[in-house]
Amino acid sequence: AQRVTQPEKLLSVFKGAPVELKCNYSYSGSPELFWYVQYSRQRLQLLLRHISRESIKGFTADLNKGETSFHLKKPFAQEEDSAMYYCALSTDRGSTLGRLYFGRGTQLTVWP
Amino acid sequence: DSGVTQTPKHLITATGQRVTLRCSPRSGDLSVYWYQQSLDQGLQFLIQYYNGEERAKGNILERFSAQQFPDLHSELNLSSLELGDSALYFCASRRQGKSGYTFGSGTRLTVV
Repeated sequence: AQRVTQPEKLLSVFKGAPVELKCNYSYSGSPELFWYVQYSRQRLQLLLRHISRESIKGFTADLNKGETSFHLKKPFAQEEDSAMYYCALSTDRGSTLGRLYFGRGTQLTVWP
Repeated sequence: DSGVTQTPKHLITATGQRVTLRCSPRSGDLSVYWYQQSLDQGLQFLIQYYNGEERAKGNILERFSAQQFPDLHSELNLSSLELGDSALYFCASRRQGKSGYTFGSGTRLTVV
């Protein structure tokens, strides 16, 4: 069965420090992995998807199939990065039967 | 604006009542997904529709039902409401063959 695990419910760092939000998944096929960000329980915003290999707001994430991980990293955290971050997995590769499986989320707080 | 429109933004109602939440997907997106976000359960997948047909069902209670209309907008009906149904209800849409799910701003339901 598909499963997404975010082991840290809360993560605090100081401004300018590196940050890594962990995400592990279990899926026997080829997954699509995403990171979504949610500010103050507003709309979920797509931050990254592994297929595009983009860097958004200084965040990057690499899919490691061997370790089944998709950790989110930023070298220098900013106060405005404080938010809830969700890792998500999609198994459908764009078919009509897809859905997102979410982790429980990590609340990131960046202190000044 | 993500292109996914949800109404109403806020809803306060009493236990035992019935409410309808509405979602209009992004133009051209045929798939609509409903998620419930509560403080203790995280993001729970409820149901998916594709071009008017139900495609996947998650942890949706029997008191809840949904449909997708020919113009592709979707409605989530919640009946016999209980205090525990208080949550944020998100709708997302996706274009077939394209990665990325786009979320609406959600409807905040409070049952008193």
